[in-house]
Amino acid sequence: EVQLVESGGGLVQPGRSLKLSCLASGFTFSNYGMNWIRQAPGKGLEWVASISSSSSYIYYADTVKGRFTISRDNAKNTLYLQMTSLRSEDTALYYCGSSYMAFDYWGQGVMVTVSS
Amino acid sequence: DIVLTQSPALAVSLEQRATISCKTSQNVDNYGISYMHWYQQKPGQQPKLLIYEGSNLASGIPARFSGSGSGTDFTLTIDPVEADDIATYYCQQSKDYPPWTFGGGTKLELK
Repeated sequence: EVQLVESGGGLVQPGRSLKLSCLASGFTFSNYGMNWIRQAPGKGLEWVASISSSSSYIYYADTVKGRFTISRDNAKNTLYLQMTSLRSEDTALYYCGSSYMAFDYWGQGVMVTVSS
Repeated sequence: DIVLTQSPALAVSLEQRATISCKTSQNVDNYGISYMHWYQQKPGQQPKLLIYEGSNLASGIPARFSGSGSGTDFTLTIDPVEADDIATYYCQQSKDYPPWTFGGGTKLELK
């Protein structure tokens, strides 16, 4: 069974940093692209960042470019999102997702709240 | 960026057919494949992939769900609607990226 478990969220002040993790199991992590997608409270889905299976290709949404860094450790089956210079508009539930045909599997999400 | 437009809500009766539309600002077809995908999100849960590449049913998804369309106009059909299908449905394109973009979601409600 595919499982994606996010962690590392919480309440953080504007301008501070936070690092999210996503532990994958039930599939060959190193063969799949991975993604972060977020959902602000009561809002729709917004793609944030993607990384290819070998980390050769990395993409960011314009809203986070220069502030967020996506990375992965295939030996640990773990995806990361380093978030810096956080803003109130980054407040959201952050999902990690695997991609093959589409965003095939999603974790349960981790909440990030940016507030003073 | 490709913009995806969905109606905010749709009211339907149980055991009837629901058709949810998604219109894109640009063609999302390429070499005969529609790079359009559909997701279901129930309250308090993560999204789940229903349909990929326009009309392909994802693993474990019941045949009551189907996807159709091409170019810039796509439809997710649920027939018949069951109580468990009450959720918000999102379309998403992967033709041109970044960014991968989603529609605003259609909330399926009971009439």
